[in-house]
Amino acid sequence: KNQVEQSPQSLIILEGKNCTLQCNYTVSPFSNLRWYKQDTGRGPVSLTIMTFSENTKSNGRYTATLDADTKQSSLHITASQLSDSASYICVVSFPSGGSYIPTFGRGTSLIVHP
Amino acid sequence: SQTIHQWPATLVQPVGSPLSLECTVEGTSNPNLYWYRQAAGRGLQLLFYSVGIGQISSEVPQNLSASRPQDRQFILSSKKLLLSDSGFYLCAWSPAGGRSNYEQYFGPGTRLTVT
Repeated sequence: KNQVEQSPQSLIILEGKNCTLQCNYTVSPFSNLRWYKQDTGRGPVSLTIMTFSENTKSNGRYTATLDADTKQSSLHITASQLSDSASYICVVSFPSGGSYIPTFGRGTSLIVHP
Repeated sequence: SQTIHQWPATLVQPVGSPLSLECTVEGTSNPNLYWYRQAAGRGLQLLFYSVGIGQISSEVPQNLSASRPQDRQFILSSKKLLLSDSGFYLCAWSPAGGRSNYEQYFGPGTRLTVT
């Protein structure tokens, strides 16, 4: 069964600090892995996307890593800001019928305090 | 540029009533379209996806159905709502074909409360 597990479930940090979110998956065959940021009551917004051959991808203060051998990914946030408070969702997709079927993690809820 | 619209933004419906949520995409053609549900404290669950007009694939059996009457229109329906249908419904699109369809773009969502 395809599964995506994220940890921690929630995280509280102080503004300016760094943090790392984890994602483990069992999706097969693997197509791509994406990290999304979802503000409360809004649709998710893509942060990074990586294919099998990529092991790191950056987007400003966000850096994602991928180890396809161990089926693990991490999202590192540098110098956190209050606006980083949101849910961060890991999504792993496999190809099917002309599309890519995503499997979503439950997300990590990040709260950044001043 | 491409945009995705969903309406209504919020909806309160009694148990047993019908449902119709609409999603439209502008600025692209032949997109892949998706319906998701996000229950409170849960991850996103893929409900339906479509790679073309009239082509609907269901991921989870339930009392919901989807239709794609036009290339850039995706509709989520139910004949009789259940309490368990409450949640946040998201529509998404991705470009068809090639590496470009790795990315999915989400709409603003519809908050459905079944009472």
